[in-house]
Amino acid sequence: GQQVMQIPQYQHVQEGEDFTTYCNSSTTLSNIQWYKQRPGGHPVFLIQLVKSGEVKKQKRLTFQFGEAKKNSSLHITATQTTDVGTYFCKTGANNLFFGTGTRLTVIP
Amino acid sequence: NAGVTQTPKFQVLKTGQSMTLQCAQDMNHEYMSWYRQDPGMGLRLIHYSVGAGITDQGEVPNGYNVSRSTTEDFPLRLLSAAPSQTSVYFCASTPRVGPSNQPQHFGDGTRLSIL
Repeated sequence: GQQVMQIPQYQHVQEGEDFTTYCNSSTTLSNIQWYKQRPGGHPVFLIQLVKSGEVKKQKRLTFQFGEAKKNSSLHITATQTTDVGTYFCKTGANNLFFGTGTRLTVIP
Repeated sequence: NAGVTQTPKFQVLKTGQSMTLQCAQDMNHEYMSWYRQDPGMGLRLIHYSVGAGITDQGEVPNGYNVSRSTTEDFPLRLLSAAPSQTSVYFCASTPRVGPSNQPQHFGDGTRLSIL
């Protein structure tokens, strides 16, 4: 079954506010991937983290992998309406399992 | 470059009917998988394949069969459709899995309703 817990399940923010979603695992992860799914669309790969403590940035998005490789976070600075969607982390022995996702709503 | 192609995009079935959801990829990826996504939910793995001739069960395999006779194709069969199988089905592929996992590429999905 699912190996990661993702929180929060839902998040509503005013446009311009920051947003963070977290993935937590009880076991050490070899790596973690993050995906975004727009409403009515399919998941699209954002990034993969492999190293302990790794931090990667994509414009307003910052991805972190915990030092113990058991948790990860995605932070969006100054959200825009284009950030709307569900953000999933993905991991597992063969990277099979998705987290439950965080659905982000941005209020203009 | 078509990527991952799923057909049909929409389908309505009656309880007890069988059907096959098609998935094809033209990227020569070894690994293919099927997920279902229920409204407001995450993606749950149904079946996956690490290469032609090899398939294995995921989290929710009951009621579904798969086969992988070629690298390109990975059809999903519903044996006897039930209302609980109403969902959106996504097929995905990746070059390989393992310690250096590659991104998964998803099809556009098949929206299936069972009446």
